[in-house]
Amino acid sequence: NAGVTQTPKFRILKIGQSMTLQCTQDMNHNYMYWYRQDPGMGLKLIYYSVGAGITDKGEVPNGYNVSRSTTEDFPLRLELAAPSQTSVYFCASSSRQGAQPQHFGDGTRLSIL
Amino acid sequence: QKEVEQDPGPLSVPEGAIVSLNCTYSNSAFQYFMWYRQYSRKGPELLMYTYSSGNKEDGRFTAQVDKSSKYISLFIRDSQPSDSATYLCAMTSPGDTGRRALTFGSGTRLQVQP
Repeated sequence: NAGVTQTPKFRILKIGQSMTLQCTQDMNHNYMYWYRQDPGMGLKLIYYSVGAGITDKGEVPNGYNVSRSTTEDFPLRLELAAPSQTSVYFCASSSRQGAQPQHFGDGTRLSIL
Repeated sequence: QKEVEQDPGPLSVPEGAIVSLNCTYSNSAFQYFMWYRQYSRKGPELLMYTYSSGNKEDGRFTAQVDKSSKYISLFIRDSQPSDSATYLCAMTSPGDTGRRALTFGSGTRLQVQP
């Protein structure tokens, strides 16, 4: 019972590099989310998706892009990494929106140096 | 002012103590309330899920909602060192979708000393 799987678990990038954070879920959930978590700041929503082919911006989308070609996968891409993007990134999914809990992966720790 | 307020802690208690974790909120439309537990270097995991006002008990954990005061609590009885984690509250209303699917508190760090 894998749930939400994120890779890699940890990565160091240089300023200006790009990378893709992978997220996959095996619960057949339509709704998927990307958050970043900074110390003492809680979870901030970056992007979300309500189904394959449909994505939308969250609270802090600048510097990120997403795609959703399948129900299972929701990758997050960082273009031109900046030190401000140093954070822990969590992917989550839910069966529907409105009054539904979200299920989280174990995160990707990203450092931009 | 944040929509959901949560004391960041850390809250340090001795093993066996009763722990009370709390969140206050300002949006009276919230009807569904959740508590997540997050261990270090792990993702949040759902601990309790309640609807509207009242209490819900699950083993050593009790979630309490007071909608009139816009205040929710999580009580942990007979706390154990394994309860040491960050606890996040989250809440939503039936109409909350998209970027408002869940509104989170910033989390309270709990340390249970053996």
